[in-house]
Amino acid sequence: AQSVSQHNHHVILSEAASLELGCNYSYGGTVNLFWYVQYPGQHLQLLLKYFSGDPLVKGIKGFEAEFIKSKFSFNLRKPSVQWSDTAEYFCAVNVNNAGNMLTFGGGTRLMVKP
Amino acid sequence: DVKVTQSSRYLVKRTGEKVFLECVQDMDHENMFWYRQDPGLGLRLIYFSYDVKMKEKGDIPEGYSVSREKKERFSLILESASTNQTSMYLCASSSYGGEPGQSPYEQYFGPGTRLTVT
Repeated sequence: AQSVSQHNHHVILSEAASLELGCNYSYGGTVNLFWYVQYPGQHLQLLLKYFSGDPLVKGIKGFEAEFIKSKFSFNLRKPSVQWSDTAEYFCAVNVNNAGNMLTFGGGTRLMVKP
Repeated sequence: DVKVTQSSRYLVKRTGEKVFLECVQDMDHENMFWYRQDPGLGLRLIYFSYDVKMKEKGDIPEGYSVSREKKERFSLILESASTNQTSMYLCASSSYGGEPGQSPYEQYFGPGTRLTVT
């Protein structure tokens, strides 16, 4: 079965620092990739997604992610974080032979200090 | 805008009680999912349904059952609640794609139900 790893469980940054959150998955075939965000007290919402094409995808609120197939990675980046980016971030993978199911990573809690 | 609602935000139940968690989506999505969310473990799939009356086990179905009698509604049932089922439960829905503004595989989530079993 496929798995998704998010190696950073907790990240603390100061405002204006750059962010990179790691995501690696174990499946070798065609994948669809997602990053979801959960702000405190709110429901999960989609940040960005990759299906095909340009491996650098841009999402909402200045986030972007790069799909590197050779490394089985889909890392999330933001050049300059804000206090309002404090949230939990989840990477998720859909494998093409698994229907509409998503496999989620363990999540990364980001705290941005003002 | 897709809306997924869950019957309760917070629920406290006693060990051994039967617990029903309800989820309703308003976008005519074919697929619906139940997850539990625990710190450090991310979201783990309990059950999903791809059509009315159809259900499939996810990664952690033990101790749970589901019901989907109508397309818009997906219920999670804890037959006899136990303390290790204390968790946040999230419902989600998705379409097979093809609807304007919606992509396949993308799941839309409800606000969650925080269940405490004492």
